[in-house]
Amino acid sequence: AQTVTQSQPEMSVQEAETVTLSCTYDTSESDYYLFWYKQPPSRQMILVIRQEAYKQQNATENRFSVNFQKAAKSFSLKISDSQLGDAAMYFCAYRSWGSQGNLIFGKGTKLSVKP
Amino acid sequence: GAVVSQHPSWVICKSGTSVKIECRSLDFQATTMFWYRQFPKQSLMLMATSNEGSKATYEQGVEKDKFLINHASLTLSTLTVTSAHPEDSSFYICSARDLDRGTDTQYFGPGTRLTVL
Repeated sequence: AQTVTQSQPEMSVQEAETVTLSCTYDTSESDYYLFWYKQPPSRQMILVIRQEAYKQQNATENRFSVNFQKAAKSFSLKISDSQLGDAAMYFCAYRSWGSQGNLIFGKGTKLSVKP
Repeated sequence: GAVVSQHPSWVICKSGTSVKIECRSLDFQATTMFWYRQFPKQSLMLMATSNEGSKATYEQGVEKDKFLINHASLTLSTLTVTSAHPEDSSFYICSARDLDRGTDTQYFGPGTRLTVL
């Protein structure tokens, strides 16, 4: 069975600085998807970024980028120019390629942004 | 991105009553929807996978007779908590799988906070 591990329960960053959130996963599959979701205090889950495992190029969405290391089974999220609105819980998630689409979530990292 | 709504956003009920939560995909058709439960300061726990026109698939440990799921159309799935008890109090979140745009991404509803007195 696949597992997702987020080893940082809490992280803190100064506004305008850069922060990296860690995620590792365990799988025997070669094709899969990886996601980062953000859950602000409103508790609405918001998709931040996604990565297909077959793509070597790291995904980027504006200030958010990932460092996908397939061999190491690592999928970290980098947030550049952090803003107060980035404060939230961040969940890393795994999805098998041929599955119905169910996600396997890590335990989350709570990110605080200091003004 | 795609929009998923959930209703109600919060509900308080008495022990022993049943509560229905609706999940709708507003701008896409979702053949597959998911129901999650989230306890305070914890991650999302998948309860069941709902497919339009067929029976839901429940995760191990989830009582299917207690958490009734109906996916009657391509845009609506409902979760009914039957004979609710205080231990069923939680935050319930639905999501819908969007295949229409070719991205095959799961979008989440805003969640429903259930409190059972």
